[in-house]
Amino acid sequence: QKEVEQNSGPLSVPEGAIASLNCTYSDRGSQSFFWYRQYSGKSPELIMFIYSNGDKEDGRFTAQLNKASQYVSLLIRDSQPSDSATYLCAVAIQGAQKLVFGQGTRLTINP
Amino acid sequence: DAMVIQNPRYQVTQFGKPVTLSCSQTLNHNVMYWYQQKSSQAPKLLFHYYDKDFNNEADTPDNFQSRRPNTSFCFLDIRSPGLGDAAMYLCATSREGVEQYFGPGTRLTVT
Repeated sequence: QKEVEQNSGPLSVPEGAIASLNCTYSDRGSQSFFWYRQYSGKSPELIMFIYSNGDKEDGRFTAQLNKASQYVSLLIRDSQPSDSATYLCAVAIQGAQKLVFGQGTRLTINP
Repeated sequence: DAMVIQNPRYQVTQFGKPVTLSCSQTLNHNVMYWYQQKSSQAPKLLFHYYDKDFNNEADTPDNFQSRRPNTSFCFLDIRSPGLGDAAMYLCATSREGVEQYFGPGTRLTVT
């Protein structure tokens, strides 16, 4: 079983709609969760992190964490073509200084 | 601006010819990481330094070595590059292993 799982997509969303990206993880002891955006040919960029159950909002982005269900999601409101990228979910390994990455979800925003 | 810098951005080497990739940071982070990323795959951690302590991943080939002469710099040495080592090499840093920030990456081509 993979430690961090994401739907690889591609996920296609019309411009202006809400894009919803999902991630599940297997280590119940995980405490820190991250979303990275990666444009084609570029390096990953940290866009959100969340440590507590519930929602965390930053501009058009909302991260949601449910530790009981071992589920973390990223919502992008008012999606723009510039949001088209691969989104990587990452979970910190408990007791280590390392992240486990999901395979990424490729998101396409259609004008 | 504080940042993670990688040099060169593009590197072409011949099969079997040693190559060194460089990473520097002005964030004063104590943890530095090297990842390998191939097309449409998640970043794969090769090793990381927690301060001066080197931590190798179990599945990192012996062909890959690293040096961290001081807090700001870290090097990735590939002793005998094979065609399968062609990839994007990403350096990342973090403070105490929490949020990781990536450099722009070095695209390695092996001919």
